[in-house]
Amino acid sequence: GAGVSQSPSNKVTEKGKDVELRCDPISGHTALYWYRQSLGQGLEFLIYFQGNSAPDKSGLPSDRFSAERTGGSVSTLTIQRTQQEDSAVYLCASSLVLAGDSTGNEQFFGPGTRLTVL
Amino acid sequence: KQEVTQIPAALSVPEGENLVLNCSFTDSAIYNLQWFRQDPGKGLTSLLLIQSSQREQTSGRLNASLDKSSGRSTLYIAASQPGDSATYLCAVRDSSYKLIFGSGTRLLVRP
Repeated sequence: GAGVSQSPSNKVTEKGKDVELRCDPISGHTALYWYRQSLGQGLEFLIYFQGNSAPDKSGLPSDRFSAERTGGSVSTLTIQRTQQEDSAVYLCASSLVLAGDSTGNEQFFGPGTRLTVL
Repeated sequence: KQEVTQIPAALSVPEGENLVLNCSFTDSAIYNLQWFRQDPGKGLTSLLLIQSSQREQTSGRLNASLDKSSGRSTLYIAASQPGDSATYLCAVRDSSYKLIFGSGTRLLVRP
């Protein structure tokens, strides 16, 4: 597709359940990022991938959060044993490259997945 | 630790006015700065990207400037229209590759 896509657009789950959020980056983009947007915290970085590896996972809030990327394309963010404080909009972005001061570093965002934990 | 601040938090202007949104950051060692637009319930739309070596970028009625030494960027919107109503976010990218966002400016352009 032309842009970053995410699924599902909305997810309602019960506390304690596991959820998987999916991101399809722009074709050919080697870098992929996950962010979270919540009312109290604004937009915060979670993790980024260069290819299939994740050099920086420092933004993941707890060990209940994990992410993987396969084939240098699709990424899945998994939240285990969801808690009410996990409720937020999860945004995925991709960019052509990751290195240095380059025009390829412009990040393009998907529409997000709104997660509600009851 | 990099911190990004946007002023004002909200702005209401009549249609046709020119306006300036401000963004400041605490650490001047950035690779680039991006301005985004976010409509309610939607994702982020990239408006302009300014590399650290650049002073400004223009796209249509939008002009963004960057002064790294003072840690400031401005987004200038000319001849504002009701369709420009949205939240505008600035974000800086440093050597850690992630974007660090300000809290945004909510813009309302009144017909």
